[in-house]
Amino acid sequence: AQRVTQPEKLLSVFKGAPVELKCNYSYSGSPELFWYVQYSRQRLQLLLRHISRESIKGFTADLNKGETSFHLKKPFAQEEDSAMYYCALRVGNAGNMLTFGGGTRLMVKP
Amino acid sequence: GAGVSQSPRYKVAKRGQDVALRCDPISGHVSLFWYQQALGQGPEFLTYFQNEAQLDKSGLPSDRFFAERPEGSVSTLKIQRTQQEDSAVYLCASSLSGRSGYTFGSGTRLTVV
Repeated sequence: AQRVTQPEKLLSVFKGAPVELKCNYSYSGSPELFWYVQYSRQRLQLLLRHISRESIKGFTADLNKGETSFHLKKPFAQEEDSAMYYCALRVGNAGNMLTFGGGTRLMVKP
Repeated sequence: GAGVSQSPRYKVAKRGQDVALRCDPISGHVSLFWYQQALGQGPEFLTYFQNEAQLDKSGLPSDRFFAERPEGSVSTLKIQRTQQEDSAVYLCASSLSGRSGYTFGSGTRLTVV
């Protein structure tokens, strides 16, 4: 069965510092990878998906099949980036469900 | 509506009580998903509907959990004889089709005492 691991429960950085939120997955085929974000008192929302290869709010993520990783990066963190971030995976032969990691809380200090 | 609506937002149930959680998806969204999110964990899949058909219920933790979507729109997740380990946030999400992006609701926080 597929699995998503986010090794850091909490990541704390200063404003303007680079950020990397780690995500590793286990699946032998070709999955779809996503990053979801949940700001304080808001609902879970899609941040980006690997097939789009886009940058959202300055965040990017590259799928590395060799390392089975999909780390989320931003060169200069902003205070408004403080939130819970969840990495998720979807595989074709498991219907349309998403498998989520445990989440990483990002705190950006002023 | 403009988004996915879930009710109630909060529910406190005594152990052994039955509860029903409601999800109003975005109008026209074919696919509907239920997830369970325990404190400090990521969401875990419970079940999936395409229109009124329940195509996957592999994530339901026991036969005390039951979900339905009789007219292909509103869905209800029912938990019978609630237990303390059922305490969690129950999230509903809908999508235009199974492979498109999800829109999540705000969730129902269930506390079993």
